[in-house]
Amino acid sequence: GDSVTQMEGPVTLSEEACLTINCTYTATGYPSLFWYVQYPGEGLQLLLKATKADDKGSNKGFEATYRKETTSFHLEKGSVQVSDSAVYFCALRSFTGNQFYFGTGTSLTVIP
Amino acid sequence: DTAVSQTPKYLVTQMGNDKSIKCEQNLGHDTMYWYKQDSKKFLKIMFSYNNKELIINETVPNRFSPKSPDKAHLNLHINSLELGDSAVYFCASSQDRLRDTEAFFGQGTRLTVV
Repeated sequence: GDSVTQMEGPVTLSEEACLTINCTYTATGYPSLFWYVQYPGEGLQLLLKATKADDKGSNKGFEATYRKETTSFHLEKGSVQVSDSAVYFCALRSFTGNQFYFGTGTSLTVIP
Repeated sequence: DTAVSQTPKYLVTQMGNDKSIKCEQNLGHDTMYWYKQDSKKFLKIMFSYNNKELIINETVPNRFSPKSPDKAHLNLHINSLELGDSAVYFCASSQDRLRDTEAFFGQGTRLTVV
């Protein structure tokens, strides 16, 4: 079945450091891929998405590229800020079904 | 306007009680979901409804019963609450026909069973 595997946390970085959170997926067909962010005490918000191979999603300085050959969708940011501290979820939406599959979440803490 | 709203935001109750959580979406979506998030932030799908019809029913105790009076509402009723039910419950919705669109989440209901 479809599934998502993402890097386990927690991750702690200093402000202005580079961030990469790895995400790989298993799916039949051509899923859509998403990164969600959850700030403390809040629900999940869409951060970015990509719906076909080689698409790059970007938002708020974050980027992720849909790589079909490596079945990956790694989240990157060149310079993190304290306000980026949150839990990040990689997710896929199956092409054939109506279900979303979420990774286990990666907690990021950025220290000044 | 809040796209997906759920009430209450916090719920503290005693073991053995029955409680309900309500969810409404104003996005015109066809599909609604309930997820449970544990203390380690792991998200587990519980139920999914499409146009008021149950389509996903994961391994969840039958003390949990979803009800969808119309496609804009999906409520969760929990009978005989147990300590292990303490978690954050999220409602979400998505559009069925647009497979490249995302799910929208509510702000969550933090349930504490004492």
